[in-house]
Amino acid sequence: EAGVTQFPSHSVIEKGQTVTLRCDPISGHDNLYWYRRVMGKEIKFLLHFVKESKQDESGMPNNRFLAERTGGTYSTLKVQPAELEDSGVYFCASSQGRKLQYFGPGTRLTVT
Amino acid sequence: GQQVMQIPQYQHVQEGEDFTTYCNSSTTLSNIQWYKQRPGGHPVFLIQLVKSGEVKKQKRLTFQFGEAKKNSSLHITATQTTDVGTYFCAGLTGNQFYFGTGTSLTVIP
Repeated sequence: EAGVTQFPSHSVIEKGQTVTLRCDPISGHDNLYWYRRVMGKEIKFLLHFVKESKQDESGMPNNRFLAERTGGTYSTLKVQPAELEDSGVYFCASSQGRKLQYFGPGTRLTVT
Repeated sequence: GQQVMQIPQYQHVQEGEDFTTYCNSSTTLSNIQWYKQRPGGHPVFLIQLVKSGEVKKQKRLTFQFGEAKKNSSLHITATQTTDVGTYFCAGLTGNQFYFGTGTSLTVIP
């Protein structure tokens, strides 16, 4: 069974530019989560999709972040415009129901 | 603010020594999960504890969930170099998981 995949693995962009991260969950998993870990801090929840609907987006830091999951399959997380404090590792996870979440490898975002 | 505190942040041990990391929550948790992240990797699920006072073992790893379901610990007996990584706890309260800051374990051969 293929795991959660994320693309790209690493992105370096300049302040003010736009970046779109992609997450492909495990096939059949209705739940998709985005998390972020800023250097030296804990992994923080960003939002939760159930199929194509946003179940909980309370962790989204501000309106520069936009997450979508059209069709309830893969999800994208767009940061526009990027700021220095957006640097970190963005993890995606998927699950079936409330069972354990399978994490993707993460995308390391560096904003310079 | 942060709801799950994890200590210590860093731990260096000699191979063969024991290691323990602790998580404490300000609120009662529905369950708690533990993850291990190898250097350069992503968090991998280790175990989930649900019941008050629950103790589970995986080979040299022992996981405990406090009676009040507000704290948990992970204990590794006789560490090996393969145990190197960052160990995270994640507590479920309401519908959201709150992650600890992680404990980075270095094992000196």
